[in-house]
Amino acid sequence: GEDVEQSLFLSVREGDSSVINCTYTDSSSTYLYWYKQEPGAGLQLLTYIFSNMDMKQDQRLTVLLNKKDKHLSLRIADTQTGDSAIYFCAESVGNNDMRFGAGTRLTVKP
Amino acid sequence: DSGVTQTPKHLITATGQRVTLRCSPRSGDLSVYWYQQSLDQGLQFLIQYYNGEERAKGNILERFSAQQFPDLHSELNLSSLELGDSALYFCASSVGPDLYNEQFFGPGTRLTVL
Repeated sequence: GEDVEQSLFLSVREGDSSVINCTYTDSSSTYLYWYKQEPGAGLQLLTYIFSNMDMKQDQRLTVLLNKKDKHLSLRIADTQTGDSAIYFCAESVGNNDMRFGAGTRLTVKP
Repeated sequence: DSGVTQTPKHLITATGQRVTLRCSPRSGDLSVYWYQQSLDQGLQFLIQYYNGEERAKGNILERFSAQQFPDLHSELNLSSLELGDSALYFCASSVGPDLYNEQFFGPGTRLTVL
């Protein structure tokens, strides 16, 4: 089947930028998403990008989409300890299915 | 607090049993989504209902079923439970019918099958 892949761990220092990467394989994906999950909580939508865009910026968050390479990234500028969480990349395929990566655990060290 | 409520918070049951998980969406939201999060399978989309009708179907097993009632709350029924069904089950809701509408997640129901 089609998979969404992400690295499992990322550790950065407070104030640095974090870049979380994701690759997907379904070229018919319409939207790509980044979700944040804090311990013991559900998912929170951070941002999403339509498949015909290549960049989206929202305050400290920048999403880059390389459709040719099927690569999606999330950059968090000035990373804070409160950004420590698991970040999931996801794609919606048509309007019938959503697929998630395994999640990247971001640890921010003071 | 997302405004989505799920009950119960925790559920422990035995293999072969049947359970019902309940979700109340945010006020005004017409769509309800169900997800399963487990260590083995990660996070998987199960099913979506919009205004009482099934709208999208993901990796939902035949042993599982869901429905959305006229008051828009939803129930996920899991039957003939297996050890591998142990997971966190999330419900989410959104205003519109499309998967790309912003979804608000509930706190989840942790199911343990012994």
